Amino acid sequence: QQQVKQSPQSLIVQKGGISIINCAYENTAFDYFPWYQQFPGKGPALLIAIRPDVSEKKEGRFTISFNKSAKQFSLHIMDSQPGDSATYFCAAAYSGAGSYQLTFGKGTKLSVIP
Amino acid sequence: NAGVTQTPKFRVLKTGQSMTLLCAQDMNHEYMYWYRQDPGMGLRLIHYSVGEGTTAKGEVPDGYNVSRLKKQNFLLGLESAAPSQTSVYFCASSYSQRLLGQPQHFGDGTRLSIL
Repeated sequence: QQQVKQSPQSLIVQKGGISIINCAYENTAFDYFPWYQQFPGKGPALLIAIRPDVSEKKEGRFTISFNKSAKQFSLHIMDSQPGDSATYFCAAAYSGAGSYQLTFGKGTKLSVIP
Repeated sequence: NAGVTQTPKFRVLKTGQSMTLLCAQDMNHEYMYWYRQDPGMGLRLIHYSVGEGTTAKGEVPDGYNVSRLKKQNFLLGLESAAPSQTSVYFCASSYSQRLLGQPQHFGDGTRLSIL
């Protein structure tokens, strides 16, 4: 059972455009939602993360929007640049006792074309 | 600071052979993880460890064993490799997951092909 569903699988955006990646989760116990960025040949790296007590978090050109009632969260990349071309993974975790695991979405391959 | 170092970076095995993937971290992290990444499947947790001498099963543990004899090292073993284990393997480490916002730091992966 896939607990974090991510869409789209791939995304092509013009330079300067907005990239939007969506994720939905099922487990209401999740209380930590990070996004990881992965470049070819490298491991994933934390990009930005949010807790469910806020509806939005912004860091530079990257924004997470969170909708607790819909159990959905999304990553927006403003003014997308060719250097943003990478695979993006959303994830979710439960911080309660005995839980140490991140559950990842299947990833979105973003291509930003000049 | 090396961060998380995985060895080897590439390996080709024949079905039935065994091997050990090595992961070392120099950040004094308590928690370490092994994932596999397959096209269209995202990252799936194989095994993890919450401290020296402890290990636990993740989502896809079958066919793998792990050991954490030293805090800085986490070993992933394949006793009898199968073609289904062809994948890219990532090791990660973190401070306590109980502290929200503690990211997992990933190595650059081991690309393993089993013929």
